[in-house]
Amino acid sequence: GQNIDQPTEMTATEGAIVQINCTYQTSGFNGLFWYQQHAGEAPTFLSYNVLDGLEEKGRFSSFLSRSKGYSYLLLKELQMKDSASYLCAVRGDYKLSFGAGTTVTVRA
Amino acid sequence: GAVVSQHPSWVICKSGTSVKIECRSLDFQATTMFWYRQFPKQSLMLMATSNEGSKATYEQGVEKDKFLINHASLTLSTLTVTSAHPEDSSFYICSASAEGRGRETQYFGPGTRLLVL
Repeated sequence: GQNIDQPTEMTATEGAIVQINCTYQTSGFNGLFWYQQHAGEAPTFLSYNVLDGLEEKGRFSSFLSRSKGYSYLLLKELQMKDSASYLCAVRGDYKLSFGAGTTVTVRA
Repeated sequence: GAVVSQHPSWVICKSGTSVKIECRSLDFQATTMFWYRQFPKQSLMLMATSNEGSKATYEQGVEKDKFLINHASLTLSTLTVTSAHPEDSSFYICSASAEGRGRETQYFGPGTRLLVL
């Protein structure tokens, strides 16, 4: 089975940094994805990790430790438009399994 | 690149009618398309996986006779909700991936919001 855990909600101030953790236990592992989803919209791809380490892409970075079953998404220089749900998803043998998502609220 | 469209974006129908949702990959050939359902404040739940020219693989608990999936070409998949009932009201999202794009990332369509009265 697949078990993916991430916090339900986080709040941060504009310009700050927020780290969203994700732990997983899955049968098979072929990569971990982070998606951003604004309310009422479909998810948009943010990052992909398949090897251990940090992947940096602009203000967003994602880290993976396969031995620990752990990933985090780091959002720097937060902007109001970053208020959204962030979904951690693990690709098992053939499909993506999603966590419940972390709702990030950015305050002015 | 990697644009996926869905049509319609929202639909309201009467209980007992059938609704067809189209999912198209606009700028790449999708070897695999996925159909998800998302209820309010919940995560995406995979309903089925379809490969072009073959029968869809349904997840446990998803009725294949109720949710008909056709993947007739490398750019089009359709989901038909047959005899829809109010409990089928949800946000339906498709995604597409392609071999050879390196990471088999799934690109999502904008979603279809279905309300069954």
